[in-house]
Amino acid sequence: DAMVIQNPRYQVTQFGKPVTLSCSQTLNHNVMYWYQQKSSQAPKLLFHYYDKDFNNEADTPDNFQSRRPNTSFCFLDIRSPGLGDAAMYLCATSRGPGIDTQYFGPGTRLTVL
Amino acid sequence: GQQLNQSPQSMFIQEGEDVSMNCTSSSIFNTWLWYKQDPGEGPVLLIALYKAGELTSNGRLTAQFGITRKDSFLNISASIPSDVGIYFCAATSGNTGKLIFGQGTTLQVKP
Repeated sequence: DAMVIQNPRYQVTQFGKPVTLSCSQTLNHNVMYWYQQKSSQAPKLLFHYYDKDFNNEADTPDNFQSRRPNTSFCFLDIRSPGLGDAAMYLCATSRGPGIDTQYFGPGTRLTVL
Repeated sequence: GQQLNQSPQSMFIQEGEDVSMNCTSSSIFNTWLWYKQDPGEGPVLLIALYKAGELTSNGRLTAQFGITRKDSFLNISASIPSDVGIYFCAATSGNTGKLIFGQGTTLQVKP
């Protein structure tokens, strides 16, 4: 089945130690998104790629970076995780920015010690 | 900015009861989506609505895109314990593809 896959499902890192989260998709969608979700809150968009074009949200901290080496994969890099970065990180995809249905992966739960 | 007001915030119901939740806004949207999120998992798309007035069903779930394009509701009939979770409405208004989320409705079902 076509799907959005996130690895790892659980990630533990130390304060200040860089971490990379991975997302892959078999849907062949043009747009990939990264969201941060904290407990009991709605997902918050960090940034998205439309093909190779990177679109950052204005309030996304510089600590968060992303890479999309090809259509199928997208990575979220947190350069120096702080305690406040502990959250669920969700990857989503859509066919295009004008075709609005987004399909989410299962998420990666990040713990910062 | 654009905002979705989702209600109720939480519901605790008996198995077999019907459930209704809704989202409203002062802004006009082109697409309404309803997602369900289980603990520790990502949101799963339940129903997508693309046209004002559209009424769509998915099993025991029924959702409608309001005629004014400013609201949507989701009904669940004959609830079962696996309906437990957080339900989010979401909407988009243009070509950016950005989703605006409601605050979520937490549903608990008592067997």
